[in-house]
Order: sequence, then structure tokens, then C-alpha cells
Amino acid sequence: DQQVKQNSPSLSVQEGRISILNCDYTNSMFDYFLWYKKYPAEGPTFLISISSIKDKNEDGRFTVFLNKSAKHLSLHIVPSQPGDSAVYFCAASDSGTSYGKLTFGQGTILTVHP
Amino acid sequence: GAVVSQHPSRVICKSGTSVKIECRSLDFQATTMFWYRQFPKQSLMLMATSNEGSKATYEQGVEKDKFLINHASLTLSTLTVTSAHPEDSSFYICSARTGGSTGNTIYFGEGSWLTVV
Repeated sequence: DQQVKQNSPSLSVQEGRISILNCDYTNSMFDYFLWYKKYPAEGPTFLISISSIKDKNEDGRFTVFLNKSAKHLSLHIVPSQPGDSAVYFCAASDSGTSYGKLTFGQGTILTVHP
Repeated sequence: GAVVSQHPSRVICKSGTSVKIECRSLDFQATTMFWYRQFPKQSLMLMATSNEGSKATYEQGVEKDKFLINHASLTLSTLTVTSAHPEDSSFYICSARTGGSTGNTIYFGEGSWLTVV
């Protein structure tokens, strides 16, 4: 049972344009969501997070949107840069006793072309 | 900022031997750390929750006698893969959650690539 889903295995974007990565979840207990960037054979690098009490969080070029009713979140990268090319994972947790225990999506490979 | 360090980054061991992977929180104390495994082209899967001073909590399907976890201090958790087999070859990653002045988030180590031959 895949509780966190990233349905797009890959995304290709031109440099300077917007990259939008999507993530859906099924477990209504999840109330804290994170996005990570990952290169092969390296640990994930934290990008941005959002709590369910918010519907938007912004940090520089990265913005995460949360639609609780749809159980959907998205990561917007504007403007996209070639250095953003990597695998992006969304992850979910509940902020109660299980906080820190993350359920990951399958990942989306982002390629930003110069 | 908060940093989580893993060692070794790569290790090759013979089938039947044991190998230990260390996970350290460098800038903060972590009462709880987490161990994940990632097979090629798959997502990260939680293996176990490591609790300082108590037994680890394992996810369903993870053999606790094979993957020994010790969280002896507030900054160190270790994962020992015992009697390793080629199918244990994988990328192992730890994480730790912060709190207080560093904010409430989860950081990952650099990962450890295990190859069993």
C-alpha cells in the first residue's frame, strides 16, 4: 500500500522555467510533509517542509503548496537551474509520537536543460 | 546548521561476515534516529527507529536479529548487518530529527553503500 505517491517518474524543464513536482498521499494522519533532493549514492538533502496548518511555505526559489482536502502537495522551483537536476522525493510524517518516521514517495527525476 | 554524518560511505564485505555502520548527529543531540534502506531505482524504506537507551523498533518484515541497532548515546546510533548476504547489498541511510533552536526538521546522513560479495 503506497501511502505517498509521486506519479511522475520524470520531469524535463528548460532552464529559467518553473518546475512543478507533485505528490499525493492517502494517510489522513500525515500532518507534516517534506521535500528532499537526492543524488545517486548520496543521502537526501532537505529542501523545504510544510505543516498541515499551512497551505503554502516559501524558501527562496522553492515553494511547497499543500491541499489537505485533496491530499496533494506540490513543489515549485522558480526559476529552474541545471544544478537542480536530481531525484526529488516527497515524504510525510505525523507530528505525534511517530514524528521523524518518514514515508517516502517513489521519487521524480528532474532534468533541467540549459 | 544541523549535520548528520554516516561512516563508512562505502563498504565491501564477504558473505557471512558482519559490518557496522555509524550514524552521528554532529550539532545536536538526537534521542531518536531512523534507519532506511534504498534498493536501486526504488524509494527509501524505513527499517527501524533507534531510541537512545532502549531497544529499537523495527518495521514489519525487517529482521531484528539480522539488523542490530544500538543507540548508546545521544549522538550515535549504529546499524550492524550480521551474517551478510549478497541480497543485503543496498544503500543504507540514517536520519535524525532536531528540535529547539535548529527548528523541528529531519536531516539525513550521507548514506552508506554496502556491497556483499
